[in-house]
Order: sequence, then C-alpha cells, then structure tokens
Amino acid sequence: EIVLTQSPGTLSLSPGERATLSCRASQTVSSSYLAWYQQKPGQAPRLLIYAASSRAAGTPDRFSGTGSGTDFSLTISRLEPEDFAVYFCQRYGGSRTFGQGTKVEIK
Amino acid sequence: EVQLEQSGAEVKKPGESLKISCKGSGYSFTSYWIGWVRQMSGKGLEWMGVIYPGDSDTRYSPSFQGQVTLSADKSTSTAFLQWSSLKASDSAIYYCVRGDSLFEYWGQGTLVTVSS
Repeated sequence: EIVLTQSPGTLSLSPGERATLSCRASQTVSSSYLAWYQQKPGQAPRLLIYAASSRAAGTPDRFSGTGSGTDFSLTISRLEPEDFAVYFCQRYGGSRTFGQGTKVEIK
Repeated sequence: EVQLEQSGAEVKKPGESLKISCKGSGYSFTSYWIGWVRQMSGKGLEWMGVIYPGDSDTRYSPSFQGQVTLSADKSTSTAFLQWSSLKASDSAIYYCVRGDSLFEYWGQGTLVTVSS
C-alpha cells in the first residue's frame, strides 16, 4: 500500500507570502492520480487539485500543483486570509490513500 | 446543484447499533459511486469504502471490512453506513462523498460519539 507523507506538519506564514507544501509517496504514483484537498475548521474537505496539476472548479489560480513520480507539491502563490487551513494530498484511482495533512497557520 | 445531505449527530453507548444516512440530490444517484470517509478528532482522513447505488456493488477498505456495512436505497437516493456494535474508537466525524476514489462532492459530515 502506498503511504503519503506530507511536510511540513505546520507552516507558519503571513498573508501575502508564498506557501509550498510537499507530498511524498512511498511508491511511484501516476500523476493522473494525485489530488489535493483543503479543509477549514468545522467544514468538510474541498477538492482543490486533481491529476497533480488540474484545478477543480472554483479553485483560484493562486493554487497550483506540480510533481510526478513520488514527489508532489501544492503552491499557494500569495496567501489570502481564507487560505489558512489544513491541506491533504490523496492518491486515488486504486487505493484511496490520504496524507496526514499540513496545517497552514497565520504567523 | 449536487448536494449530499447527511443525518444529524449521534450519541451512542458501546455495543449499540447505528445507521447514518446520506441523501444525494441534483444528480443521477444511481450513476455515481458514494463513499464514506472517517475523520477522528483532530486527525486525518481515512477512506472506508464505496457503494454503487445502481447495482449495490460495494468495496471496503481492508481496515474497515467486517467492521461496517454500506448500503443504498435507490428509491430515496440515500446511502447508509451502519455498525452492529459500536466501540468507543468509532467516535469520529463521518463524511459521505461522491465518487469512486476522487471526491469532488462531500456531505457536511455526521459526528458520532460513542461513550458509556
């Protein structure tokens, strides 16, 4: 079973700064099957990115996903106040494995 | 508009049974898989299983096989997650999701608390 490891656990940044989140897989993941979700307190997760780099409907273009093989990343170009949340990566298509999450908090 | 409306919070005792629901609307209920995801307090997301309401084809995560039962009622466009004997460790938020493995739509979550 593929294990997804996200880093860092917590990212402390200020609004307007750039955030880069990492998701590393224990085995090669086809880039067609890597997604990112955002979860705000008290809310259900929301799909942001699928197929490693495709933005889901309604995802602002300040969010971008890159990567292939075992290393993937989510970048938020300029943090807006509403972007402070927890982000999960997910391998889909076969197993539905989630990473443990990265919390982006206000510094 | 696609919506997944889940049943309300539950408080149960260990050993009791429970069935929670997820009603789909705004799309053809029988044409999409419905899955369930567990989130224990302050923790990550765990996929539990999926059901295809069209023919009730069901697939479980090995971690949840035998622990829960998924079902669906086409006549009411509702999917169900049930336990026959709850444990304290089943306390969590349970989300229903649309999709086999990529989850574009989520229910609002059902909080299940199991405590003596």
